[in-house]
Amino acid sequence: SQTIHQWPATLVQPVGSPLSLECTVEGTSNPNLYWYRQAAGRGLQLLFYSVGIGQISSEVPQNLSASRPQDRQFILSSKKLLLSDSGFYLCAWSPRGNNQPQHFGDGTRLSIL
Amino acid sequence: LAKTTQPISMDSYEGQEVNITCSHNNIATNDYITWYQQFPSQGPRFIIQGYKTKVTNEVASLFIPADRKSSTLSLPRVSLSDTAVYYCLLQGSARQLTFGSGTQLTVLP
Repeated sequence: SQTIHQWPATLVQPVGSPLSLECTVEGTSNPNLYWYRQAAGRGLQLLFYSVGIGQISSEVPQNLSASRPQDRQFILSSKKLLLSDSGFYLCAWSPRGNNQPQHFGDGTRLSIL
Repeated sequence: LAKTTQPISMDSYEGQEVNITCSHNNIATNDYITWYQQFPSQGPRFIIQGYKTKVTNEVASLFIPADRKSSTLSLPRVSLSDTAVYYCLLQGSARQLTFGSGTQLTVLP
C-alpha cells in the first residue's frame, strides 16, 4: 500500500533562518506531489505542485520554493523565513491523472519566532 | 476558476444522518467532486468522489443532481468521532484549487 511521510512534525525557527521540509512517498511511482499551507482555522492553500522530477508549478508568489530531486521526494525550502511563514504545512500525493483524489501526510506545524 | 460554497458549521446528534451541501455553480465539464474530512492537526482524508448521480461507499454517500451545480455529502448515523471539518473540492486537473474553509461538523451526545 502507499504511504506518505512528512517530517518534522513540529518546528520552531527564528525569523531569517532557512527552512527545509521533506516529504517522501512509498508504494507508488510517478505520483503528482503537492505542498499546501493551512493557517489556523482556515482552508488549505496550494503552494506548489509537481507532475514529475524537476517539474514544479507555483500557485502563489511567496518566500518559499520547492524541489523534486527524485520521483517520490518533494522538498519545501526557504532561504530566509518570515513571521508570515508560520502555519501548518501539508504534503500530498495523487496518482497520475487529472481527477485523482489526494492523500495527505500528517503535516508540519511551523512556528516562526 | 470554479469555486465552492459550503455552510461554515453544522451541529448534529449521535445516530442522526447528516447532509452537507456544497454549491459549485461554475463547475466545468471535466471536474469531479471530491470530499475530504480533516481532524485538528492532521492532514485531510479522502472520503468520496463522484461525477454525477449517486456514489456510495462504506462511510458516505454523495448525491449529485443532473445539473451538477451542487452536491450533498450524506453521513449515515454519525458518531462523536465524526466531528471534523469537511471540505468539498472540484478536481479537474493536476492544478488543484484552494480547499476553502470547509464545514465544521460538531456531533453532540
